[in-house]
Amino acid sequence: QLQLQESGPGLVKPSETLSLTCTVSGGSISSSSYYWGWIRQPPGKGLEWIGSIYYSGSTYYNPSLKSRVTISVDTSKNQFSLKLSSVTAADTAVYYCARGDPLTGPYWGQGTLVTVSS
Amino acid sequence: DIQMTQSPSSLSASVGDRVTITCRASQSISSYLNWYQQKPGKAPKLLIYAASSLQSGVPSRFSGSGSGTDFTLTISSLQPEDFATYYCQQSYSIEWTFGQGTKVEIK
Repeated sequence: QLQLQESGPGLVKPSETLSLTCTVSGGSISSSSYYWGWIRQPPGKGLEWIGSIYYSGSTYYNPSLKSRVTISVDTSKNQFSLKLSSVTAADTAVYYCARGDPLTGPYWGQGTLVTVSS
Repeated sequence: DIQMTQSPSSLSASVGDRVTITCRASQSISSYLNWYQQKPGKAPKLLIYAASSLQSGVPSRFSGSGSGTDFTLTISSLQPEDFATYYCQQSYSIEWTFGQGTKVEIK
């Protein structure tokens, strides 16, 4: 059964870089049928797509975050990662990783809370 | 980017009521529309994908319809466990966008 698990620090200082990893189990990240993405949700607010990546490394970013976001994939570890630089309190959110599947709909991880605070 | 407009933003309903939530896309997205249910402190749960396909394990009282730009999520008979926030999401583009959410509250 497919599982996506987010991991990384739960607390990041302002101006530093937020780094998260999504580990995929029960399926291969190298499949050309899917793409992989990050979504976030600030406390009490709605969902915001951050960016997506194909296993080949092609990336797509939310224009509002593009200057600060890097998403990468490590096929040898079956993982993909998110880096968000120069964070502020506005970046405090639950961060979700997900698999995009045009045929059967997205599959999400359970999410991880990242708080930006000194 | 594709804008998703969801309505209403909130509604109050009673157990047993029929509930309808709508979602409109700023351009045609064919049937690439997904619906989620989210309860406090939990990840969004996929209910409907491809506009009208019921995700495995989701009760049949949930249904989705529409194509192009206009979509609907219907709960045929609201149950106590259905009080939650519902989101639509387009996956026509790899650059996903979401509706603002509809909070379904107890009347």
